[in-house]
Amino acid sequence: QVQLVESGGGVVQPGRSLRLSCAASGFTFSSYGLHWVRQAPGRGLEWLAFISYDGTNKYYADSVKGRFTISRDNSKNTLYLQMNSLRTEDTAVYYCAKDTSSGSSGHFDYWGQGTLVTVSS
Amino acid sequence: DIQMTQSPSSVSASVGDRVTITCRASQAISTWLAWYQQKPGKAPKVLIYAASSLQSGVPSRFSGSGSGTDFTLTISSLQPEDFATYYCQQANSFPLTFGGGTKVEIK
Repeated sequence: QVQLVESGGGVVQPGRSLRLSCAASGFTFSSYGLHWVRQAPGRGLEWLAFISYDGTNKYYADSVKGRFTISRDNSKNTLYLQMNSLRTEDTAVYYCAKDTSSGSSGHFDYWGQGTLVTVSS
Repeated sequence: DIQMTQSPSSVSASVGDRVTITCRASQAISTWLAWYQQKPGKAPKVLIYAASSLQSGVPSRFSGSGSGTDFTLTISSLQPEDFATYYCQQANSFPLTFGGGTKVEIK
């Protein structure tokens, strides 16, 4: 069965960096696009970033463009989110999510359980 | 960016009720729309994609309709396990955007 397991969350000071990982199994990782989506405490869902199956196409939300970088290692079946210059408003549960196509169908059929990032001094 | 507006933001309903949630896009998105259900402390789960296609394994009491800018999610007969928050999401163009959510509560 498809599994996505995020890790790397924790408490970090404003201005510092953090890298999230998402380990995938149960499907052909190198054949699908992947996304990061976050949810601030008590708030709705916010899409952050997309990467195509081969890593050649990437898109970002304006709120994280220039600070966050999405990447993937198809040899390790792992998706990453490098988060730099973190702000208090980046505090959220971060989910990785699988797209239904190699490019982007734009919707997600599987999600991880999420990892909490808290940005606080 | 395409803005997604959901209404109502919350609804109180009883088991067996028919519940309808609407979602409006700020510009036409054809049928590039998905609906998700989220329960507290859990990841969202896709219910409907392409506006009206039922995701495999999702009960048939869930249905979606609409195209262009106006969309609807209908739960034909609310079950206890359906009390949750529902989100629409446009899949037409980046940045992908979600509606603000509709919380379905027990009456």
